[in-house]
Amino acid sequence: EVQVVESGGGLVQPGGSLRLSCAVSGFTFSNYWMHWVRQAPGKGLVWVSRLNSDGSITNYADSVKGRFTISRDNAKNTVYLQMNSLRAEDTAVYYCARGGGLGTPRGFDYWGQGVLVTVSS
Amino acid sequence: EIMLTQSPGTLSLSPGERATLSCRASQNVISNYLAWYQQKPGQAPRLLIYGASSRTTGIPDRFSGSGSGTDFTLTISRLEPEDFAVYYCHQYGSSPPYTFGQGTNLEIK
Repeated sequence: EVQVVESGGGLVQPGGSLRLSCAVSGFTFSNYWMHWVRQAPGKGLVWVSRLNSDGSITNYADSVKGRFTISRDNAKNTVYLQMNSLRAEDTAVYYCARGGGLGTPRGFDYWGQGVLVTVSS
Repeated sequence: EIMLTQSPGTLSLSPGERATLSCRASQNVISNYLAWYQQKPGQAPRLLIYGASSRTTGIPDRFSGSGSGTDFTLTISRLEPEDFAVYYCHQYGSSPPYTFGQGTNLEIK
């Protein structure tokens, strides 16, 4: 059974930092792209970042570029999102999701339960 | 960046009725890499359809996707009580950003 579990959320002051973790199991983690998607309270889904299977390719939404860093540890089956210089508008539930693997991309087929990040003084 | 526009914003129907949700892209979606997700309050999104028309394992056959290029449709043939939720379309083709539509809220009439 595939499991995706995020952790590391919480309340942080504007300008602060937070690192989210996403631990996965039930599939060969090192074969898949991984993504972070966020959802502000009462709003829609917004793609944040992606990382390829070996961690050599990363992409970011313009809104987080230069402030967020995605990374992975394939030995630990974990993907991370380091968030620096946080702003109030970064307040959201952050989801980790599995992307494409060895075959044809199938969208984001497995998601974690999400972790809430609140940026407020 | 490909913009996705979903319509209607809210759809009010009764169980047993047919639901038709639309998603229009601002430019062609590469290889029809268009997905549909269902999201219920307090839950993560769930993938229903990928590649515009392929159902994910475990999704009932009352859900179907169609379309190509810039116009896509999610159809729910006969609504069950558990189908009332928010639905998002999502393009995951070629290069990021991988945009989502703003969502259609399917509510009970």
